[in-house]
Amino acid sequence: AQSVTQLDSQVPVFEEAPVELRCNYSSSVSVYLFWYVQYPNQGLQLLLKYLSGSTLVKGINGFEAEFNKSQTSFHLRKPSVHISDTAEYFCAVSEYGGYNKLIFGAGTRLAVHP
Amino acid sequence: KAGVTQTPRYLIKTRGQQVTLSCSPISGHRSVSWYQQTPGQGLQFLFEYFSETQRNKGNFPGRFSGRQFSNSRSEMNVSTLELGDSALYLCASSLQQGPGGEQYFGPGTRLTVT
Repeated sequence: AQSVTQLDSQVPVFEEAPVELRCNYSSSVSVYLFWYVQYPNQGLQLLLKYLSGSTLVKGINGFEAEFNKSQTSFHLRKPSVHISDTAEYFCAVSEYGGYNKLIFGAGTRLAVHP
Repeated sequence: KAGVTQTPRYLIKTRGQQVTLSCSPISGHRSVSWYQQTPGQGLQFLFEYFSETQRNKGNFPGRFSGRQFSNSRSEMNVSTLELGDSALYLCASSLQQGPGGEQYFGPGTRLTVT
């Protein structure tokens, strides 16, 4: 069975500082990996995804993530955060050969302070 | 292009009642998935429909059901509501039939059971 662990439930950071949100997954088969963001009272928006190829994936809003197969990790990074990045971030996986089912981590609340 | 729409946005029901939630996917999308989001359990997959067929179902009791119409609009129904069914119900649509494609989420329906 697949599972996703987001290692930090909350990450406080000052504006313009770098940030890393950590995600580890467990699966017996190959997976696709995603990061979604949820702003208050809204649905989820895709930041980036890893399907195959280059392990460094660039997404929207200046975010990037690196897939590490040996460590089964997919950490999200941004070199300089803005107040507007304050939101909940979810790491998710879906299984090769499966359908569109996403397994989500518990989420990381990023709080950017001035 | 219009996004995923969900109606109603907010709903208050009493224990024992039933409820139907509606989701209209992005035009041309034939895959619709439903997720339940709660503070305790996080984001959990309910089911996915593609071309009116349920392709995948999460680990929820039979009180949770859904369907998809020929125009790809989907409804989910919860019968005999329990307090624990209070949640944000999110619908997502995808153009892609298989995994790895971007899923576009609606704003959700906030269900409160009293």
